[in-house]
Order: sequence, then C-alpha cells, then structure tokens
Amino acid sequence: NAGVTQTPKFQVLKTGQSMTLQCAQDMNHEYMSWYRQDPGMGLRLIHYSVGAGITDQGEVPNGYNVSRSTTEDFPLRLLSAAPSQTSVYFCASSRLAGYYEQYFGPGTRLTVT
Amino acid sequence: AQSVSQHNHHVILSEAASLELGCNYSYGGTVNLFWYVQYPGQHLQLLLKYFSGDPLVKGIKGFEAEFIKSKFSFNLRKPSVQWSDTAEYFCAVNLISSGSARQLTFGSGTQLTVLP
Repeated sequence: NAGVTQTPKFQVLKTGQSMTLQCAQDMNHEYMSWYRQDPGMGLRLIHYSVGAGITDQGEVPNGYNVSRSTTEDFPLRLLSAAPSQTSVYFCASSRLAGYYEQYFGPGTRLTVT
Repeated sequence: AQSVSQHNHHVILSEAASLELGCNYSYGGTVNLFWYVQYPGQHLQLLLKYFSGDPLVKGIKGFEAEFIKSKFSFNLRKPSVQWSDTAEYFCAVNLISSGSARQLTFGSGTQLTVLP
C-alpha cells in the first residue's frame, strides 16, 4: 500500500513549456485534489475530483488542467508555464470529500524560469 | 467565501513550554475542522479532526484542540512541547452546509520552532 505517490519530485521548466505532474493513489479513494503551497499562503486548492470523469475548479485553477479517467490517477497539466507557477504542488486523496482526512503525497517542487 | 486565519506566523518556544496556536474561520455554518502538521521535508499529516460531539478533541503526539463555536475558533494546544514538534502547522476547514462542501480551505500556517 503506497498511499499517494507523485512524480516527479523536482522539476525546472522554462516559461511557456508545458508538463504534467502525476498523482496516483491505491486506496480506492473517490476524492482527489491538487494544492499548491506558497510561503505565507498555506495550501490553496487548484482542482479537485469526486470520482472518475468528474472534476471541478478550486480556488486557483487558472493555468492548470486536470482529468480523471480512472479512480487511481489524477494528473495535473500546466499548459504554458509561467514564473508565477513556481511552487510546491501536493496531491491528496480521501474518501467522501470533507468527512474524512486527506492523505497527501510527498509533493513536487516546480521552478519556472 | 470561507476563510481561515492563523494569526501566529512563527512561534518560538523552549522545550517543555506550553503551546497554543490560534485558528479562526469566517463562516457560521456547519464545519468540519482539521489540524495538519508538516515536518521539515515531509508531506502533510493529520494531527486531529473535529466533526461533531465533544468539542475538545485529542490527536496524536499529545496534541489537542478545542472547538468554540461562538468564537469560530479551533485552537491547537499541547501542554509541553518537544524539539521534535518543530514543524509547520496548518488549520483547515471544510464547510459542509453549502455547495462548496468539497473544498478544504487551509490557513496560512504557523511555523513552530522548539529550542532544545
């Protein structure tokens, strides 16, 4: 049981490049989410999903896309990276949204130059 | 929109001192409340949670929190901190009485440094 896994751990992008951050969970959780963590701002929700085929926007969705084709995977796509997207990205999963603790992955540290 | 405030950005204590970290939220509806901890270089882990019932909840590692509905607060406490408690602590709120029940809102975090 690996919990929530994320790849890569570190990534450097140039402005305008695109990439996908991977997230997978093996706990059969319905709810998955992506957060970004910036100093002094806590974690802010980017996108979330309550099941395969169902996604919705969080607090800071601009510049990011998600899809959920399986229960296990929830990739986050940066369409055209900008320096403002330099951050640490965490994926999380849980059972019924809001009623159970979220399990967090180890994070991806992204730098956009 | 709901918001969560953690007014202490950085707290420095000596070992064996008592700890209280403040957390206030802005919404008066029904909420689920959480405290998460992030140790240096690690991902977030749940310390404790409150859904209903006894407003004093106990978590792991000797932490506890008290939900005071009239004050919209959920402060975290520990009677005697240890050096190993050095970490960043996040309060989080899930509003379950509206259409935004699926979004967990985090506070900005409090960095706790415990001096040996």
